[in-house]
Amino acid sequence: KNQVEQSPQSLIILEGKNCTLQCNYTVSPFSNLRWYKQDTGRGPVSLTIMTFSENTKSNGRYTATLDADTKQSSLHITASQLSDSASYICVVTNYGGSQGNLIFGKGTKLSVKP
Amino acid sequence: GAVVSQHPSRVICKSGTSVKIECRSLDFQATTMFWYRQFPKKSLMLMATSNEGSKATYEQGVEKDKFLINHASLTLSTLTVTSAHPEDSSFYICSARGTGLGETQYFGPGTRLLVL
Repeated sequence: KNQVEQSPQSLIILEGKNCTLQCNYTVSPFSNLRWYKQDTGRGPVSLTIMTFSENTKSNGRYTATLDADTKQSSLHITASQLSDSASYICVVTNYGGSQGNLIFGKGTKLSVKP
Repeated sequence: GAVVSQHPSRVICKSGTSVKIECRSLDFQATTMFWYRQFPKKSLMLMATSNEGSKATYEQGVEKDKFLINHASLTLSTLTVTSAHPEDSSFYICSARGTGLGETQYFGPGTRLLVL
């Protein structure tokens, strides 16, 4: 069964600290993996996208890694800011699946405190 | 680029009435649009996929007669929740995929529906 599991479910950190969010998936065949940021009451916004051959991708203070062998990905946030408070969703695309076959994780809710 | 808008951003309606939600691709032609529903603290669930000019494909368990989807143009898709009930209260998000943009889906900001 195609699944995306994220951990932790929620996380509270102090402003300025770093954190790492985890994503494990069992989606096959795999096309790509994306990390999205979703602010409360808003639609998801793409942070990074990685294909099978990519190990790491950065977008400002966000760095995503992908290990296609172990089917794990992480999102590292450096020097967190209050505006980083949001849900971070790991989404894996099922290659060759039905149109738009995105498998969503349940997200990690990050709260950055001053 | 690749901006998707939704209207309204939030709506409150009485039980039994119908509500229409619009999804527009502002700067690209969306050959395919997707409608998702998200309940509190849950992940997005795909409801249906629509291609411009053809009937939408609904996911298992989604009532096509209750959630009417129209994708009449390359920049607009509408979702109409008919005879809304309180259990239809949710966050509805659309996304769009266009020619030349690969597989990437661009998400709208979402519409919060509350049925009283």
